[in-house]
Order: sequence, then C-alpha cells, then structure tokens
Amino acid sequence: ETGVTQSPTHLIKTRGQQVTLRCSSQSGHNTVSWYQQALGQGPQFIFQYYREEENGRGNFPPRFSGLQFPNYSSELNVNALELDDSALYLCASSKGATTNEKLFFGSGTQLSVL
Amino acid sequence: DQQVKQNSPSLSVQEGRISILNCDYTNSMFDYFLWYKKYPAEGPTFLISISSIKDKNEDGRFTVFLNKSAKHLSLHIVPSQPGDSAVYFCAASLIDSNYQLIWGAGTKLIIKP
Repeated sequence: ETGVTQSPTHLIKTRGQQVTLRCSSQSGHNTVSWYQQALGQGPQFIFQYYREEENGRGNFPPRFSGLQFPNYSSELNVNALELDDSALYLCASSKGATTNEKLFFGSGTQLSVL
Repeated sequence: DQQVKQNSPSLSVQEGRISILNCDYTNSMFDYFLWYKKYPAEGPTFLISISSIKDKNEDGRFTVFLNKSAKHLSLHIVPSQPGDSAVYFCAASLIDSNYQLIWGAGTKLIIKP
C-alpha cells in the first residue's frame, strides 16, 4: 500500500509567477485535502476534493485552485504568486470527506516566493 | 482570530515521565477534536481523537481529556519515550462544516534521556 506522495519537495518561484503542486493519494482513498502551513503556524485548510468535485473551501482567494483526477490524485495551482504564499503545502488523503476520517499526509512541498 | 490555541511553543520532559500537552479553543460549536504528531521533513500523522460527547479517550500510552466547560483539551503521554520528540498539533472541527479542520500552532515536545 503506497502512501501519499507530493512533488516537488522544494520549489523556488518569483512573485507573479504560477505554480502547480502535485499529490498522489493513498490507495483506496477518494478524498484529498490541501493545507498551507506558514512557518511557526498550524496548517490552514485551503480546499478539499471528493470524487473529483470541490467539496469545501477555506478562506483562500480564487487564485488558489485545484483539480482531482479519476485516479484521485490531485493538483494545487496558485496563480499570481505573492511573497506571503511562501509556505509548506501539505496534501492529505482520506477514505471519506468528513473530519472524523483520518487524514494521511504527504511530506509536503516547500514553496519559496522571492 | 485563532480559534484553536496551543500556548506552549515547546515543552521539555524527562524520559519515563508524563508529558502533558494543552490546547484551548474558543468556538463552542466544535464537536470533534484530534491530535496529530509531526516529525521534521514528514507530514503530520494522526495520533488520537475525541468526540465532544466524551471526556476521555485512551489509546495505549496516549490519553486525551476534554473539558467542554473550560473549552480545554489535553494530551497525556505516559511514559514518555525519546521517539515521542516531535511537534504536536491539536485540531478541531465544526458541527456544520464536516470537512474542515482548524489547527493550533503546535507544541514542540522534547524528551530528554
């Protein structure tokens, strides 16, 4: 059983650019949630995808968008990057969309915006 | 507005003793609480959870206590082991938002040999 994998592990971009982060979910999981973790803070919920549909969204602007594919892998896209977007981006998969389902996290993508 | 607060950024405990990590919340609508553990360069891993209908849940060396009137929960680790050194996050979910977890800032636990 493979776990959750994220790519790339590190990324450096400049302000105004666009970035795509990728996540493959654990086998048997149909839900992917994305979180942003700034330095010294807890993860903040960006959005969740359940069976290829966006199932909920946190307090993030529309320039944060996502996709979930038929194999339940997922992408996070961020347009018009800002300096404050520098953070660790975590992807988590789960068997269902409710919060009492355990989240299984990847190791994250560290994004630096210069 | 921080709805879930972990006021101790770090905690140092002797190996074999009890570790107590604390978490306070402000929203009385939270009905489910979880603890996750995170090692450096890894994602968080689920540790233990508790529903608001309970005041205690145990899993081996880990026990979570919930005090709803004080809006406070705590994680007890007994006995503490070197492998427990990690950052511990408290998280909560809202009754009417069943997909979103609200996380605290974490407490770094250091177990001294």
